[in-house]
Amino acid sequence: SQQGEEDPQALSIQEGENATMNCSYKTSINNLQWYRQNSGRGLVHLILIRSNEREKHSGRLRVTLDTSKKSSSLLITASRAADTASYFCATLLRGNNDMRFGAGTRLTVKP
Amino acid sequence: NAGVTQTPKFQVLKTGQSMTLQCAQDMNHNSMYWYRQDPGMGLRLIYYSASEGTTDKGEVPNGYNVSRLNKREFSLRLESAAPSQTSVYFCASREYTGNTEAFFGQGTRLTVV
Repeated sequence: SQQGEEDPQALSIQEGENATMNCSYKTSINNLQWYRQNSGRGLVHLILIRSNEREKHSGRLRVTLDTSKKSSSLLITASRAADTASYFCATLLRGNNDMRFGAGTRLTVKP
Repeated sequence: NAGVTQTPKFQVLKTGQSMTLQCAQDMNHNSMYWYRQDPGMGLRLIYYSASEGTTDKGEVPNGYNVSRLNKREFSLRLESAAPSQTSVYFCASREYTGNTEAFFGQGTRLTVV
């Protein structure tokens, strides 16, 4: 089964609003990463948070990690139509090089 | 700056045929991965290679074989294609150590009829 589970599966918002996506995982991790995918193209890395970090920012992105709850959230502030894409969390399992992805959240930002 | 290159981009196979998907990276990364993505779903790990000379099974290895030909190249082989293997296949690479990101190819869209 997949390591990560994103919530919600789909999210539709207006331009300018904030978008929050959540990811839960099952096992101990070294880090958790968020990726973006446009229309079936290859994934592009957005941000990485290490297991000993609780929050990280990059531009309009804010990621939190709660290892006690095995969960993470990605916040995109002031969303734009160009943010429309699918967003996936990925976990690098502790102790090996196995990298697993969740099922993703499909974000639609309406102009 | 090619990054991760996958060939072919599209392929149609008949049930029972075999084929090899090629992946090459020019970033001197140790680790390489093969994933499949079915419509509306996330990526599922088929096989990965932590470093040259090693390969490990992922979540869905049945029906596939891999070869880490050298540090640059990691191929995925379907010995006897089945309709259930219709999917988009992605190759990725990353540094083995440290907290590093993965870089993805643009995918191979495979249809088995």
